[in-house]
Amino acid sequence: ETGVTQSPTHLIKTRGQQVTLRCSSQSGHNTVSWYQQALGQGPQFIFQYYREEENGRGNFPPRFSGLQFPNYSSELNVNALELDDSALYLCASNPGGGGEETQYFGPGTRLLVL
Amino acid sequence: RKEVEQDPGPFNVPEGATVAFNCTYSNSASQSFFWYRQDCRKEPKLLMSVYSSGNEDGRFTAQLNRASQYISLLIRDSKLSDSATYLCVVGHNDMRFGAGTRLTVKP
Repeated sequence: ETGVTQSPTHLIKTRGQQVTLRCSSQSGHNTVSWYQQALGQGPQFIFQYYREEENGRGNFPPRFSGLQFPNYSSELNVNALELDDSALYLCASNPGGGGEETQYFGPGTRLLVL
Repeated sequence: RKEVEQDPGPFNVPEGATVAFNCTYSNSASQSFFWYRQDCRKEPKLLMSVYSSGNEDGRFTAQLNRASQYISLLIRDSKLSDSATYLCVVGHNDMRFGAGTRLTVKP
């Protein structure tokens, strides 16, 4: 296994609510990336953190925000949930500072917005 | 134009067949290239990195053509266990995924 864990595994929210998803990376992995994967699509890059600083962002609105903590854990926060936010949310980590390195994925959190 | 484009699939092949997947990418400054495998309702897992010289891992062969911005994956002697979605991934500061090509290997 990759050593990357995510919680919760499943979540149901209603439109307009806020959600926080959590990820625990492998010890020593300084970079964490978050992805959104809609049904039938590939993962879409949301953003990336390196040593607690955001250092890359995909085409997602500001209501998607994140944090990375010194203990290799991180959070993805989504405000004002919309129906289209229903997806599998994946976090991935790698040891170095480059997001182009091999990434190791957690099992994901399935979010359903009603 | 999408940053990473793959054959839409799906591919349905018999056991023992050889199957090839193709992928193109738009960012000529891309630095790293991978094939990931994703089983149904699971997370993506690294299948293999792709190097300019081409590389092989058992029944799997990956090729990269930087001039054409093209990546391929060849699977020989397909097994039932190869059934999955194959994701082409291109890295440049971050990772960009194709939509995936679904493969079903049938007895």
